Amino acid sequence: EPEVTQTPSHQVTQMGQEVILRCVPISNHLYFYWYRQILGQKVEFLVSFYNNEISEKSEIFDDQFSVERPDGSNFTLKIRSTKLEDSAMYFCASGAGTYNEQFFGPGTRLTVL
Amino acid sequence: GQQLNQSPQSMFIQEGEDVSMNCTSSSIFNTWLWYKQEPGEGPVLLIALYKAGELTSNGRLTAQFGITRKDSFLNISASIPSDVGIYFCAGPYTGNQFYFGTGTSLTVIP
Repeated sequence: EPEVTQTPSHQVTQMGQEVILRCVPISNHLYFYWYRQILGQKVEFLVSFYNNEISEKSEIFDDQFSVERPDGSNFTLKIRSTKLEDSAMYFCASGAGTYNEQFFGPGTRLTVL
Repeated sequence: GQQLNQSPQSMFIQEGEDVSMNCTSSSIFNTWLWYKQEPGEGPVLLIALYKAGELTSNGRLTAQFGITRKDSFLNISASIPSDVGIYFCAGPYTGNQFYFGTGTSLTVIP
């Protein structure tokens, strides 16, 4: 069964450093998403991506964040200058259409020291 | 942002019991999704609902899309220990911006 994969599973970085989180969505999906989950809290929407551009973003997704689909399979989230409060699980998801179900990857745990 | 409130916040039940939980919103949603999340893992889709009043089952799980389109319900029959986890409702307020509920934590006592 096709699944979303994410790398790395755990990333530790120093405050102020740039990090890139990587995702390989399900191959025939067209919609891609990033979510964040701070420990013990609910899943929060960051950004959706379709047709090589951002379709929607939340207030969390400020200028420090960017997304890219550099090739036909990868989808990345970049945080330019990490802050302590960026420490969280970051989930990638993909879906086949608008208003449609999304399938999540296993997540990357980001720890900012 | 949109707030999806789930109740109860947590449940402790005996194995074999049925479970009911719900999710409410102040806004109308066109889709309701139910996910289960286990510690250290990503949410796993359980059921997707697309029409008001729709009732959909997936094994021992049954979910309903409320007729007001502002709520949804998830029932689990004859609970087993592996049902343990946090259950989230989710829905797209707009086409591609999905909101997740506050979660219901389920503990099943063998």
